[in-house]
Amino acid sequence: QKEVEQNSGPLSVPEGAIASLNCTYSDRGSQSFFWYRQYSGKSPELIMFIYSNGDKEDGRFTAQLNKASQYVSLLIRDSQPSDSATYLCARRGSSASKIIFGSGTRLSIRP
Amino acid sequence: GAVVSQHPSRVICKSGTSVKIECRSLDFQATTMFWYRQFPKQSLMLMATSNEGSKATYEQGVEKDKFLINHASLTLSTLTVTSAHPEDSSFYICSARALLEIQETQYFGPGTRLLVL
Repeated sequence: QKEVEQNSGPLSVPEGAIASLNCTYSDRGSQSFFWYRQYSGKSPELIMFIYSNGDKEDGRFTAQLNKASQYVSLLIRDSQPSDSATYLCARRGSSASKIIFGSGTRLSIRP
Repeated sequence: GAVVSQHPSRVICKSGTSVKIECRSLDFQATTMFWYRQFPKQSLMLMATSNEGSKATYEQGVEKDKFLINHASLTLSTLTVTSAHPEDSSFYICSARALLEIQETQYFGPGTRLLVL
């Protein structure tokens, strides 16, 4: 079982709709969770992090964490074509210094 | 967010030569940096963790004698691909640990695309 699992996609969403990206993790000791966006040919950029159960909103992005069910999600409201990218979910454990990445979900926003 | 730079952004070299890639944290000190490799359409693969003033920790399957890492200062880590071969052609990305609010996170450099002929 992978430490961080994501559906590889592609996930196709019409422009203006809500894109929902999901991620599950296996280590219950995980404390912090991160969402990165990676455009083709570029390096990942941090979108947001979350460490408490519930929702965290930042602009059009909302991260949701449910530690009991071991999943974290990212919602993108009013999707734009520029949101088309691969989204990487990551977790950091309580004692490990490195962040473990999922393999990413490819999101495509169709005009 | 924190800024991480990499140099060069792109390098083409002949098989058998060595290539050095620099990773710098520009506006913060990074005691820990990470080196990743990414092949086309594949996910990030962590190669090693670079700690300032000590030896790097390599992931399983990564040859430490081939991929030399030096983290001599709090703002600079270097990765040297020794005796590069075509199969080493890849996108090499470094990242640095930084504190964001109260959470430690990682910021990535822009990456270095290596092509070995």
